[in-house]
Amino acid sequence: DAGVTQSPTHLIKTRGQHVTLRCSPISGHKSVSWYQQVLGQGPQFIFQYYEKEERGRGNFPDRFSARQFPNYSSELNVNALLLGDSALYLCASSLALLMGSEAFFGQGTRLTVV
Amino acid sequence: SQQGEEDPQALSIQEGENATMNCSYKTSINNLQWYRQNSGRGLVHLILIRSNEREKHSGRLRVTLDTSKKSSSLLITASRAADTASYFCATSRRGSSGSARQLTFGSGTQLTVLP
Repeated sequence: DAGVTQSPTHLIKTRGQHVTLRCSPISGHKSVSWYQQVLGQGPQFIFQYYEKEERGRGNFPDRFSARQFPNYSSELNVNALLLGDSALYLCASSLALLMGSEAFFGQGTRLTVV
Repeated sequence: SQQGEEDPQALSIQEGENATMNCSYKTSINNLQWYRQNSGRGLVHLILIRSNEREKHSGRLRVTLDTSKKSSSLLITASRAADTASYFCATSRRGSSGSARQLTFGSGTQLTVLP
């Protein structure tokens, strides 16, 4: 079975541009979460989606948005990119909304803003 | 904000030795998970321990949880060079609606296993 897949793996954008990151969860998993990991730190929670609805949001500006599709894949959108948005963006999938089950992560998308 | 804090920040040992990493957290939790990350790549799930469990084993991994002290430890026995990675603990806790929404990570322990 395929694990969590994210695309693209690397991306370079210019300040002010917009970016879309994509995630496909493990088959059968209905919950997708997004995390931002800045170099040298642990991942920070951005969003959680379950059954196509936003179920949780971290402390990130409105420039960050996301959505989940009927096949449970998800997109993370970031507008008006800043240098500080440079990070590894991780997608996690889990069976249920309740985090009693393991969360499995993709390999991430490395975003560099120049 | 970071709920969990790993200790030490960095650990260097010889191959074959045991490695112990600790994690402390601040609020009550539903469960605690340990992850490994190689060189800025994705997180690999290692083990989940629930709040009503005290110890769990998986291969060379042993995890303990002390909810009274709000702490957990990860022991890797007979370490190998391939164990070199960053290790993170992550906690989840119930929100006001009764459902957990997120994992909260510490800043990690960088483990180096020397051959």
